[in-house]
Amino acid sequence: GNSVTQMEGPVTLSEEAFLTINCTYTATGYPSLFWYVQYPGEGLQLLLKATKADDKGSNKGFEATYRKETTSFHLEKGSVQVSDSAVYFCALSGDSNYQLIWGAGTKLIIKP
Amino acid sequence: NAGVTQTPKFQVLKTGQSMTLQCAQDMNHNSMYWYRQDPGMGLRLIYYSASEGTTDKGEVPNGYNVSRLNKREFSLRLESAAPSQTSVYFCASSEALAANYGYTFGSGTRLTVV
Repeated sequence: GNSVTQMEGPVTLSEEAFLTINCTYTATGYPSLFWYVQYPGEGLQLLLKATKADDKGSNKGFEATYRKETTSFHLEKGSVQVSDSAVYFCALSGDSNYQLIWGAGTKLIIKP
Repeated sequence: NAGVTQTPKFQVLKTGQSMTLQCAQDMNHNSMYWYRQDPGMGLRLIYYSASEGTTDKGEVPNGYNVSRLNKREFSLRLESAAPSQTSVYFCASSEALAANYGYTFGSGTRLTVV
């Protein structure tokens, strides 16, 4: 069945460092891919998405490219800030198209 | 900018007790969802409601019931709580029943069953 694997956290970086959070997936068909972010004490928010191969989703300085050949959707940001500290979830749309299949989440800690 | 509101934020139950988690959205969304979040397991769908008047089981429905009271409200009921139901529960809504629309989540209910 469909599944999502994220790198384990926590990931700890200094402010202005380059960020990569790895996400790989297993899926049949052509799923859409998503990154959601959960700030402390809040619900999840959609950060970006890509709906077909080679699409790049971007938002708030974050980017991720849908790579079908490597079944990956890695999240990147060129210069992180303390305010980016959160838990990041990779997800894909399942066979039913409405159900999201979630990764376990990666906690990101940015130190000033 | 309320979005999705969940109550309560925290709850401790004894095994066998019942309770209802409340969820309301003010975005005129058609579809609503209940998820549980457990450490290292991501989110798992409990029940969903495609539109007012309909509900369907998700991945882990056992031990839960839901009611779509109207377009705004979608409640989750635990009839006889068990320690395995200790979790963080999230309600979410979307414009329609498709992941591409993006989900709006509430801030969660942290439930402990002792």
